[in-house]
Amino acid sequence: QSVLTQPPSVSAAPGQKVTISCSGSSSNIGNNYVSWYQHLPGAAPKLLIYDNNKRPSGIPDRFSGSKSGTSATLGITGLQTGDEADYYCGTWDNSLSIFVFGTGTKVSVL
Amino acid sequence: QVTLRESGPALVKPTQTLTLTCTFSGFSLSTSGMCVSWIRQPPGKALEWLARIDWDDDEYYSASLKTRLTISKDTSKNQVVLTMTNMDPVDTATYYCARASYSSSYAVDIWGQGTMVTVSS
Repeated sequence: QSVLTQPPSVSAAPGQKVTISCSGSSSNIGNNYVSWYQHLPGAAPKLLIYDNNKRPSGIPDRFSGSKSGTSATLGITGLQTGDEADYYCGTWDNSLSIFVFGTGTKVSVL
Repeated sequence: QVTLRESGPALVKPTQTLTLTCTFSGFSLSTSGMCVSWIRQPPGKALEWLARIDWDDDEYYSASLKTRLTISKDTSKNQVVLTMTNMDPVDTATYYCARASYSSSYAVDIWGQGTMVTVSS
């Protein structure tokens, strides 16, 4: 059971925007940086966002991240069929002294 | 270019010990701020972080699996080894090794392709 909660699924039409929430606590999101990962079927997960809102080289600016208190949000604009994947948030948990992933959200493009 | 590759048995029997090796290139685990983590994903389920070893030999383990896991490194071979004892069918999963580094505030930034491990008699 993950300590970070995400909605099971979100969907939108091509070109539209989706947001994915990640809810935690003061022992994790509230006091640590959040990262986001994209997991396409059959591929290795990929880092999309780190330090709450920074994008690694090569990640398009359609992907954005934000954090407020004990929650974080991933936004995807200009949705494409290639964005259909599972998305996970992650952060360090100070109480457990481990890295924790969210429950995962499946993005579907209608 | 940073790459990681997992290797190990595809099939293990219940109660056996699983040994997985992560061979990496493009960075050194003797460099300050570098870490290697193991993460798994059971079929149809979410990612689960298992363990991490740091450049300074610090080790971190999942609380629920701590008694069964051991992580170690061989800096000269650019390898990290994870052992998991007393394997059970619920441990069937794809196992990934991945790098974390100070430059990304220890977010897992580069992943291996993963190796599927099935636990069955």
